[in-house]
Amino acid sequence: GQQLNQSPQSMFIQEGEDVSMNCTSSSIFNTWLWYKQDPGEGPVLLIALYKAGELTSNGRLTAQFGITRKDSFLNISASIPSDVGIYFCAGQPGGSQGNLIFGKGTKLSVKP
Amino acid sequence: DTEVTQTPKHLVMGMTNKKSLKCEQHMGHRAMYWYKQKAKKPPELMFVYSYEKLSINESVPSRFSPECPNSSLLNLHLHALQPEDSALYLCASSQVGEGPRNEQFFGPGTRLTVL
Repeated sequence: GQQLNQSPQSMFIQEGEDVSMNCTSSSIFNTWLWYKQDPGEGPVLLIALYKAGELTSNGRLTAQFGITRKDSFLNISASIPSDVGIYFCAGQPGGSQGNLIFGKGTKLSVKP
Repeated sequence: DTEVTQTPKHLVMGMTNKKSLKCEQHMGHRAMYWYKQKAKKPPELMFVYSYEKLSINESVPSRFSPECPNSSLLNLHLHALQPEDSALYLCASSQVGEGPRNEQFFGPGTRLTVL
């Protein structure tokens, strides 16, 4: 089946540093979504991308839909302690209601 | 209202028990989903309901029985579960269709422990 490669698997950074993570796929997606999940909670949608090349920001977060439609990245600028959590990318192939393919997640730790 | 709610928050059950998980949304979404998530893993899709009809069953064992009584509610009936079924069960909802309609909004989950 389709798989997403998400990297890095984990990151340990200092407060104030910028963060970058990405997802790549062997097949094309029509939608890329980025979620953040805190322990014991459900994933929270951060950014949604729908067009190849699209660059979207949400506060300190910026995400891009790759031009080939097979990849996406998420940047977090000036990290703060509450950025700690697991970040998941999710892609959706065209014509597949509900079929979100999730990456394995990037665990972010921020040192104050 | 942009919230998906789930009850209970935590559930402990024996292998012979019958219990139900409940999910509710009032965003007018007509697609609802059940996911299972094990520790340190991404969510795994179990079921999809579209317009209150089951559209996807990802080969889930029959001890899990979904039900969508109306467009706002989604239940997951549990019977004769195994300890390996212990996990965080997540409900999500979205509109039906392509593009922005694909955005799935998740509830906080039910932490299930099977003894």
